[in-house]
Amino acid sequence: GESVGLHLPTLSVQEGDNSIINCAYSNSASDYFIWYKQESGKGPQFIIDIRSNMDKRQGQRVTVLLNKTVKHLSLQIAATQPGDSAVYFCAETEGKLIFGQGTELSVKP
Amino acid sequence: EAGVVQSPRYKIIEKKQPVAFWCNPISGHNTLYWYLQNLGQGPELLIRYENEEAVDDSQLPKDRFSAERLKGVDSTLKIQPAELGDSAVYLCASSLGSPDTQYFGPGTRLTVL
Repeated sequence: GESVGLHLPTLSVQEGDNSIINCAYSNSASDYFIWYKQESGKGPQFIIDIRSNMDKRQGQRVTVLLNKTVKHLSLQIAATQPGDSAVYFCAETEGKLIFGQGTELSVKP
Repeated sequence: EAGVVQSPRYKIIEKKQPVAFWCNPISGHNTLYWYLQNLGQGPELLIRYENEEAVDDSQLPKDRFSAERLKGVDSTLKIQPAELGDSAVYLCASSLGSPDTQYFGPGTRLTVL
């Protein structure tokens, strides 16, 4: 069936470096994508979203890129900080929000 | 502004016992969701309410799970009887409408012994 998944389960980066978290989706009809951050013991927190009519969207230190040709979504975090350590989920929505498995980001001081 | 409130935060019960979770959404949010999250996995939708109406409960195991949102504000999710496999985090989320950005509560971590 249709699914949203992540390429890597864990990612370790040095503080100050840029982080890139990738996501593949298979539902070509998906029209809205969201990145969530989930810290231990907390619920998912909205980071940034992008609609299918866009290729790129920037927020504060974060950028989401959407490549519809290969059904790929990425989250770029600039100047990664220890507070960015968390599990990151991509989610697609075509009415219903469907989450991928998650990538755990670990920031080394 | 207060976020989504859930209680209890943690619950430990023995199998076959009943359990209930409570959620108070963000004020003014008409849409309320209950999700189940297993360890290392993304949340999975159990039920979605538009005001007091359950508009999507296709993933809710209706033999043991039930939910209500009687006045279109707060909601309860109940499991009776609980099974070992029900151990998970139960998340509540709300949004102004659907589809709109969903805001999640901290969740209730259920352990069934």
